[in-house]
Amino acid sequence: GAGVSQSPSNKVTEKGKDVELRCDPISGHTALYWYRQSLGQGLEFLIYFQGNSAPDKSGLPSDRFSAERTGGSVSTLTIQRTQQEDSAVYLCASSQTSGRAADTQYFGPGTRLTVL
Amino acid sequence: GDSVTQMEGPVTLSEEAFLTINCTYTATGYPSLFWYVQYPGEGLQLLLKATKADDKGSNKGFEATYRKETTSFHLEKGSVQVSDSAVYFCALRDYGGATNKLIFGTGTLLAVQP
Repeated sequence: GAGVSQSPSNKVTEKGKDVELRCDPISGHTALYWYRQSLGQGLEFLIYFQGNSAPDKSGLPSDRFSAERTGGSVSTLTIQRTQQEDSAVYLCASSQTSGRAADTQYFGPGTRLTVL
Repeated sequence: GDSVTQMEGPVTLSEEAFLTINCTYTATGYPSLFWYVQYPGEGLQLLLKATKADDKGSNKGFEATYRKETTSFHLEKGSVQVSDSAVYFCALRDYGGATNKLIFGTGTLLAVQP
């Protein structure tokens, strides 16, 4: 079956512009995660969705970052008024559940964001 | 807070050499432990995992044993190949807290030369 897909694969934007990054998780996966991979910070957790529960936003670096998940499937990560330090690869992952037994997270290919 | 420490790279080996990449962790709860691999130009893939103490995860000739007494999860392979060249990330998921995030180490670049 299809894996996690993300779009666009690359995004170049100017400082101050807003961007939207999309994630399509594996069908049937109830848990969805966003991470950021950057040279200075390594792999960082951003936000987590589990079913209809309130998302865990504890990793979002500022209020310019937000995410939503519509219908328990597709998710969009929005960065407003982008800054150069937002340049990174944004990774989406999904898993069947959040429980220990079936919690393997499957990652998408990522969106490489470059802020000029 | 929870954290993962792994050996810095790059690690450069000749084909058929023995590989060890060290990983130690700090966790408040009782975590599951993972090794992810990122091949050049590709996304993160799960390599292996272990969910409780003394469990051994294995895949593609790689192994790692969950050692609670030393809080370690070292990755080993008896004979590496050029195709194993990649970045390897150790990670944990701690079930003691309210969040379900993966916490990653900084990654170790492995370069295998023919």
